[in-house]
Amino acid sequence: EIVMTQSPATLSVSPGERATLSCRASQSVSSNLAWYQQKPGQAPRLLIYGASTRATGIPARFSGSGSGTEFTLTISSLQSEDFAVYYCQQYNNWPGEFTFGPGTKVDIK
Amino acid sequence: QLQLQESGPGLVKPSETLSLTCTVSGGSISSSSYYWGWIRQPPGKGLEWIGSIYYSGSTYYNPSLKSRVTISVDTSKNQFSLKLSSVTAADTAVYYCARQKSTVAFWGQGTLVTVSS
Repeated sequence: EIVMTQSPATLSVSPGERATLSCRASQSVSSNLAWYQQKPGQAPRLLIYGASTRATGIPARFSGSGSGTEFTLTISSLQSEDFAVYYCQQYNNWPGEFTFGPGTKVDIK
Repeated sequence: QLQLQESGPGLVKPSETLSLTCTVSGGSISSSSYYWGWIRQPPGKGLEWIGSIYYSGSTYYNPSLKSRVTISVDTSKNQFSLKLSSVTAADTAVYYCARQKSTVAFWGQGTLVTVSS
């Protein structure tokens, strides 16, 4: 089973600043990595798939990079609506295995 | 516009079986491109994939829950269902139904299920 970890657990950022979130897999998942954003009381929203491809309607300030075991989600200039929890998810052995990381909370500094 | 709606009891007693149904509208559950899944989130915690089903009936389950989970599909009603047996307080969570490929682009709104006597 592939285990996902994320760091930091909480990231405090001022509006307009850049945020960099990390995700690590316990073994290679190639580029089979997605990122989701979740706000309180809402279902998650898909941001990135294939490690770096933005989902439909996702602003260009969100970008993903990495492959293998190390991945990064970058938010270039944080807007007020971006304060949320972000989860990575691997799907290297889909169908059959589908694993989320524990999440990174981005809050206001 | 695709919509998914979870339904079922919000309160289940310990040791009993949790049963939820997801009704799909605005699209066919028999689409060959997608799987239909269940994901849960305990209060204040992260996301956990429970399992998924293809319209043909093929199922895939989280190994940690496999012994207690059954997911089924009813194509005539455009619905799929979750049964989780022998529940404990640790199964208290918001349960989401979802349309999946390898990722999840469409989610239901989620339904809170509390396990308590």
